[in-house]
Amino acid sequence: EAGVTQSPTHLIKTRGQQVTLRCSPISGHTSVYWYQQALGLGLQFLLWYDEGEERNRGNFPPRFSGRQFPNYSSELNVNALELEDSALYLCASRLGSGGFTDTQYFGPGTRLTVL
Amino acid sequence: AQKVTQAQTEISVVEKEDVTLDCVYETRDTTYYLFWYKQPPSGELVFLIRRNSFDEQNEISGRYSWNFQKSTSSFNFTITASQVVDSAVYFCALSEARTGANSKLTFGKGITLSVRP
Repeated sequence: EAGVTQSPTHLIKTRGQQVTLRCSPISGHTSVYWYQQALGLGLQFLLWYDEGEERNRGNFPPRFSGRQFPNYSSELNVNALELEDSALYLCASRLGSGGFTDTQYFGPGTRLTVL
Repeated sequence: AQKVTQAQTEISVVEKEDVTLDCVYETRDTTYYLFWYKQPPSGELVFLIRRNSFDEQNEISGRYSWNFQKSTSSFNFTITASQVVDSAVYFCALSEARTGANSKLTFGKGITLSVRP
């Protein structure tokens, strides 16, 4: 069974640009999570999507947004990139939204560098 | 608010040594889950174990074992007879049950384990 996949693997952008990161969950999983792992800041929760809706977001500005498609894949969009957005962006999927008991499984991440 | 503390930042051991990675958590919830993930240099977080707040039984899986103690709010991870392949960053994480908060994992800062041959 295929795991969580993310694309692209690496990305280099300049300040002020916009970027879109993509995530495909494990087959059968309906919940998708995004986390940011920036140097020195650890792993921080960004966004949670389930059944096409944004269910929760972390303490990030509105220029971080995303969506979930009918096939449960997801995009993370970051507008007006800033240097501190340089990070590894990890996507995770979970089986269902009925409870918190399911485990989140992570993809390989997208390494974003903002110059 | 939920919080996970991994006080050790870096640990270096020689192969075949046993090593324990500490994790202390804070939560106001009575129902929660604790997790350990491994992050090798490739970057992907690999799920190792999940434990719910009502199950304090220790667990052993091969060379890995976990000690969950609610009395001290700790969920420690021991690797027995460490191997070079165990070198990675290890994260402890917490997920709470309360509505709205059950949607995310709160991670500790991670512990970088280096196992030397």
